[in-house]
Amino acid sequence: KQEVTQIPAALSVPEGENLVLNCSFTDSAIYNLQWFRQDPGKGLTSLLLIQSSQREQTSGRLNASLDKSSGRSTLYIAASQPGDSATYLCAVSLVTGGFKTIFGAGTRLFVKA
Amino acid sequence: ETGVTQSPTHLIKTRGQQVTLRCSSQSGHNTVSWYQQALGQGPQFIFQYYREEENGRGNFPPRFSGLQFPNYSSELNVNALELDDSALYLCASSLDRGMDGYTFGSGTRLTVV
Repeated sequence: KQEVTQIPAALSVPEGENLVLNCSFTDSAIYNLQWFRQDPGKGLTSLLLIQSSQREQTSGRLNASLDKSSGRSTLYIAASQPGDSATYLCAVSLVTGGFKTIFGAGTRLFVKA
Repeated sequence: ETGVTQSPTHLIKTRGQQVTLRCSSQSGHNTVSWYQQALGQGPQFIFQYYREEENGRGNFPPRFSGLQFPNYSSELNVNALELDDSALYLCASSLDRGMDGYTFGSGTRLTVV
């Protein structure tokens, strides 16, 4: 059974700091991994998608890496800003036993001005 | 290009009742998936439809059912509502079973009293 774990559960940093959010998954037979941002009470906004054949993706201040063999992904946020405050979720999609997308519980980030 | 829209945004139902939630997919997308998100947790996968057929299901009882229509819009039906069904219900659409990642709607907040 695929399980997705995100560490840390919560993080508070001063503005300008670079930070790393971690995501681990138990079954390496994924076909992609996606990072999302969620503001309180809102839907999910896609940040980065990494296909199983890729090692990393970048968008602006965000960089996500994927190591399938070790079951890990990291989201790197450079020069954090108060507007980055949100919950960050990672999700893996797999085809074992039918298509499924499994989410972690998220990392709640607070960036202090 | 329109995004994913969900209706209604909020809903209050009584235990034992039935509810139907609706989702319009992003233009060009033929896959829709549904998630339940309890407060403080990551989204839990309910099921996915690809070209009007269910092609993946999470660990939810049969009283959670769905439909996808020829225009790729979708419905989530929940029968015999229980208090624990209170949650944010999220719909996501994608092209070809999620191969290019998912686009989420803003969700429907369901409260069961």
